[in-house]
Formats: sequence, C-alpha cells, structure tokens
Amino acid sequence: EVQLVESGGGLVKPGGSLRLSCAASGFTFSSYSINWVRQAPGKGLAWVSSISSSSSYIYYADSVKGRFTISRDNAKNSLYLQMNSLRAEDTAVYYCARGLGFCRGGYCYARRFDYWGQGTLVTVSS
Amino acid sequence: DIQMTQSPSSLSASVGDRVTITCQASQDISNYLNWYQQKPGKAPKLLIYDASNLETGVPSRFSGSGSGTDFTFTISSLQPEDIATYYCQQYDNIPITFGQGTRLEIK
Repeated sequence: EVQLVESGGGLVKPGGSLRLSCAASGFTFSSYSINWVRQAPGKGLAWVSSISSSSSYIYYADSVKGRFTISRDNAKNSLYLQMNSLRAEDTAVYYCARGLGFCRGGYCYARRFDYWGQGTLVTVSS
Repeated sequence: DIQMTQSPSSLSASVGDRVTITCQASQDISNYLNWYQQKPGKAPKLLIYDASNLETGVPSRFSGSGSGTDFTFTISSLQPEDIATYYCQQYDNIPITFGQGTRLEIK
C-alpha cells in the first residue's frame, strides 16, 4: 500500500524556520517525482514545489522561491522541505504528493498527483 | 502563469441529479488537465486525469471531457458520499495551477 506521511509542522514566529519531512512507503520512491502542495485555512490548493526522481529537476512557486528548499533522500525514502523566512501567508496544511513524471521542452515535473499524504499544519504567527 | 477558472464556485443538488462543473484555462493546455475530489479534513484524491481518463478504482459515475481551454467534469447521478470540493489542475506549464474549487452540497 502506498503511504506518504508528513511531519514537522507546528507553530513558528514570522521570520522563523521549519523543516517538513515526508516518509514514503509501499512503492519505489526513487522512481517518482514528489511534490509539496499547500492549502491555507479555508482556501484552495496551491502547488509549492516539485523534485524529480533523481533530484535533477527542482521547481518552486514564485511565492516561496528563495525561501524554501526541497530535497530528497532516496536511500531513506524521504522528502524534505526546508522553510526559511516564514511569513503569515505561509500558514497552511502542507501535503506531499507523489507525481507521475512528465518531460517536455527541457522541463520534467509531475503530470498528476496520484497519492497524497494526510498533511501537516504549519502556523506562522507571533 | 496559467489561470484556471472553475464554475460554479458552489452548487447544491439532490441525490440522483446530474452535476456538471466547468473549468476554463487562460490559454490552450491541450488535455493536460486533472480533476480532484477533497472531502472535509481529508487530502485530495485524484479522480480524472488527462481530461477524460478515470483513475483506477473511481466509480464510473464520474467523467471528464474537453480540450484546449474548456473542460467539463460530470457526476452522472449524485450520491451522498460525493459531497466534497472539486478542483481542476493543469500541468501544461510550470507553475502547476489549480482552479479555485467547486463546493458541492446536497440539497
């Protein structure tokens, strides 16, 4: 059974840092793109970042570029999101989602998110 | 960025009704469109991929159609367990973008 389990969320002050983790099981982790998608309270879904199977292709939403860093450890079947310089508008549930790969025009990312974790809540507040 | 506009934002229907949600892209995205269902307090679930393909295990009352800029998601006969918010998502370009969601309620 495919499972994705996020951890590391919590309450942090504006300007602070947090590191999210996503532990994967039930599939060959090293063969898939993994992504972060977030959802602010009462709002819709927003893609945050994507990392390809071998970490060769990494992308970020403009809203987090320069502040967030995505990484993965295929030996540990784990995905990470280092979040620095956090802002109130980063408050959200953060989901990791498995992506089926898609390459076109020099870009490689997920064409769909077929499995999702349960999410971890990040609250940025003083 | 490609903007995805869903309509309606919310809708109320009766059990057994045919329900249709539309999603319009701000530019041609071919068939690079997916639909997700999200129930309250839960993670999203993939229902339809590449505009019209039913994900494995998803009931056949769900369907999708369209290409280019205009897409449609349909529930042929609404069931009580279909109460959720539905999102379209494009993958034609980075950044991947979602529609704002359509909240479906039972009348």
